Amino acid sequence: RKEVEQDPGPFNVPEGATVAFNCTYSNSASQSFFWYRQDCRKEPKLLMSVYSSGNEDGRFTAQLNRASQYISLLIRDSKLSDSATYLCVAGFNNAGNMLTFGGGTRLMVKP
Amino acid sequence: EAQVTQNPRYLITVTGKKLTVTCSQNMNHEYMSWYRQDPGLGLRQIYYSMNVEVTDKGDVPEGYKVSRKEKRNFPLILESPSPNQTSLYFCASRSGAATNEKLFFGSGTQLSVL
Repeated sequence: RKEVEQDPGPFNVPEGATVAFNCTYSNSASQSFFWYRQDCRKEPKLLMSVYSSGNEDGRFTAQLNRASQYISLLIRDSKLSDSATYLCVAGFNNAGNMLTFGGGTRLMVKP
Repeated sequence: EAQVTQNPRYLITVTGKKLTVTCSQNMNHEYMSWYRQDPGLGLRQIYYSMNVEVTDKGDVPEGYKVSRKEKRNFPLILESPSPNQTSLYFCASRSGAATNEKLFFGSGTQLSVL
């Protein structure tokens, strides 16, 4: 079982739609969580951190459910430029301070 | 401009021919790391370094070496590349050890081993 699991998609949605991604993590001791965005064959870029209280940045809302060990990302009013792969990431502050990446969920927003 | 610089961007080589992928950051970051990305598997950590002369294995270190002689540089060395090391590689850095700090990535190196 992968430590961080995501539905690979693709999610094909029309412009203006609301789309939600979920991600589950297996390490209950994980302490930090993120969503990264990756365009095709380019470097991942931090989209937002995820907090237990939930956080919002414009059209993007991220939530963390520690009891069920899942993280969600909601994108409202989708734009063509939102087309990308979204990576879910869980961090654990052990000796290695490692981040574990999910395989990514591909989003395609169509006109 | 704050950045992580990797070179080369693309590399095609043959089995067994030693190669080095360079990585340099200009942000005075203590923590640096190498990842490989393969379809469906996400990014997997190869090696990381908490500071100069301090390196350790990640999830998939076999077949790779690293060094951290200076704070800014963290080269990835493949002593005898094999076709299963064909992958997209990313170097990354962040200011400190805590995982809640932002990770900055280089632009990637697409390696093909024939």
